[in-house]
Amino acid sequence: SAVISQKPSRDICQRGTSLTIQCQVDSQVTMMFWYRQQPGQSLTLIATANQGSEATYESGFVIDKFPISRPNLTFSTLTVSNMSPEDSSIYLCSGGQGDTGELFFGEGSRLTVL
Amino acid sequence: KQEVTQIPAALSVPEGENLVLNCSFTDSAIYNLQWFRQDPGKGLTSLLLIQSSQREQTSGRLNASLDKSSGRSTLYIAASQPGDSATYLCAVNTGNQFYFGTGTSLTVIP
Repeated sequence: SAVISQKPSRDICQRGTSLTIQCQVDSQVTMMFWYRQQPGQSLTLIATANQGSEATYESGFVIDKFPISRPNLTFSTLTVSNMSPEDSSIYLCSGGQGDTGELFFGEGSRLTVL
Repeated sequence: KQEVTQIPAALSVPEGENLVLNCSFTDSAIYNLQWFRQDPGKGLTSLLLIQSSQREQTSGRLNASLDKSSGRSTLYIAASQPGDSATYLCAVNTGNQFYFGTGTSLTVIP
């Protein structure tokens, strides 16, 4: 199984600022994803992080707002740009193993925007 | 598009009771199905993974079954404990995308 470390675990930010969340996997994963989970709701996929190329974004999410990097197989970052209170959520990094298709998650980053 | 539903949305049981959580999906063309546990404000912990060719998987007090033809999976928890209190989510992997249910919030009362 893969162990995924995510930081920061939580942060309180001011409106208009940006925050970068880091995700480190302890083993190589085929796929890396970023999800958002708003209070009381299930997970919404933001984008698939592609190694060495631009991420693939889901409908409703754009690169200018959520720039993502994945420089290698085990590391990715998500930036939440120009934050507003509506961006207050838990942001989750996940990795999928190609052989089993199993998905693993980090502990999440709880973001509060004032 | 795959849709995943979990019923009930919330469940409260006394300690020691056996219980079943349900997950249904609309398209039987799946690669695998995974059950997760989520504690409040935390990430998801993988509990059980069932490949499309499998019927069930067991881990300790947990048993998950899969019936692809009817689009259903169940998670059976034996002898529930207060520490089992959490939200349980199922996720269907279609091979190139994961679809999550909305979860069942379980409370085990001491």
